[in-house]
Amino acid sequence: GAVVSQHPSRVICKSGTSVKIECRSLDFQATTMFWYRQFPKKSLMLMATSNEGSKATYEQGVEKDKFLINHASLTLSTLTVTSAHPEDSSFYICSARSGATSGDFYEQYFGPGTRLTVT
Amino acid sequence: GQNIDQPTEMTATEGAIVQINCTYQTSGFNGLFWYQQHAGEAPTFLSYNVLDGLEEKGRFSSFLSRSKGYSYLLLKELQMKDSASYLCAALDSNYQLIWGAGTKLIIKP
Repeated sequence: GAVVSQHPSRVICKSGTSVKIECRSLDFQATTMFWYRQFPKKSLMLMATSNEGSKATYEQGVEKDKFLINHASLTLSTLTVTSAHPEDSSFYICSARSGATSGDFYEQYFGPGTRLTVT
Repeated sequence: GQNIDQPTEMTATEGAIVQINCTYQTSGFNGLFWYQQHAGEAPTFLSYNVLDGLEEKGRFSSFLSRSKGYSYLLLKELQMKDSASYLCAALDSNYQLIWGAGTKLIIKP
């Protein structure tokens, strides 16, 4: 099956610094990638949708200047948390969709997630 | 607005059967997904239904009724490793996934 990697799996950073998280589709070309945030015992919250070569579409309430998303190639998207604060501590998960459909099947393949802790 | 409802938590016994229900209201509909998520891990795909009826896959089955905006995930012969959260997600008219809050399933010996 399709594999999505995410790096790093865990990161601890100091308040005020920036952190970059990478999401890669390893064996398929991802025309669309999604970035989610998940708080403990809560469901996935979609932050933004990015299509290769174009600007990301951010969900309401998500600061685009704080969460910078770049989808420079069909296999790589990055999320940079700028000027991180303790409230940004969370589990960040990316997913990728190939856009190649079998009928109407639009499955998203998830990366393993990144646990961010801001001290 | 768009909404997915599923129970917050369920408890079942090892070896038994459990049914997790999900109701949805979305702008358009292009199918319904069930994902399993263990604590601290990313979701993994379980099933996809776009037509009415039951899809069986081993110990897991998923059912969809489009007219009722309703789906369920049926888990048979429960094992301790099935303890996880089960996420229901509907694909709307823009092919975006609308996520439920997840059902935490606790399996007791």
